[in-house]
Amino acid sequence: EDQVTQSPEALRLQEGESSSLNCSYTVSGLRGLFWYRQDPGKGPEFLFTLYSAGEEKEKERLKATLTKKESFLHITAPKPEDSATYLCAPRGGEKLTFGTGTRLTIIP
Amino acid sequence: DAGVIQSPRHEVTEMGQEVTLRCKPISGHNSLFWYRQTMMRGLELLIYFNNNVPIDDSGMPEDRFSAKMPNASFSTLKIQPSEPRDSAVYFCASAPSGSSDTQYFGPGTRLTVL
Repeated sequence: EDQVTQSPEALRLQEGESSSLNCSYTVSGLRGLFWYRQDPGKGPEFLFTLYSAGEEKEKERLKATLTKKESFLHITAPKPEDSATYLCAPRGGEKLTFGTGTRLTIIP
Repeated sequence: DAGVIQSPRHEVTEMGQEVTLRCKPISGHNSLFWYRQTMMRGLELLIYFNNNVPIDDSGMPEDRFSAKMPNASFSTLKIQPSEPRDSAVYFCASAPSGSSDTQYFGPGTRLTVL
């Protein structure tokens, strides 16, 4: 059974303080790892898809990286508007298996 | 594009009542997914359709849950009878073609069963 663990569960940062979120996964034959952002009261919003170890993708202050067992979401010089829950979801078979997310709060 | 549309946004009902959630996927998308999100279990896939045909319903918790997709632009998730443990946020998502594509989520329906 595919498994995914995200850490930390919650993270509070000062504005401008860079950090990383972790997504550890166990899937048979990874066919993509997805990152989503979810704001309170809204549906998840797609950020990135990574397909192979060593791949990196960037969007504004976010950069996602992938190894064979983990993915990291690096956030550089975050702003308050980056506050949200970040979900990762590896795909081993036909389904995405979502982690429970990291709740990120950026303090002005 | 209007994105995925779900209705109602909020539903409060009493135990034993029938609940019907509705979803309109993004036009042109061939795959549709129903998820349930709770604090304890996170986001769980209930069922997904491809070209209006149910492909995998192994996530449907029990016979009280049923889903239909009568055409490419409409799907329903029905719970009958509802129970308090069904309280959650239910999301619908659609993808251009197949589960390997990026899924785009609707705003969700928050269901409370008293």
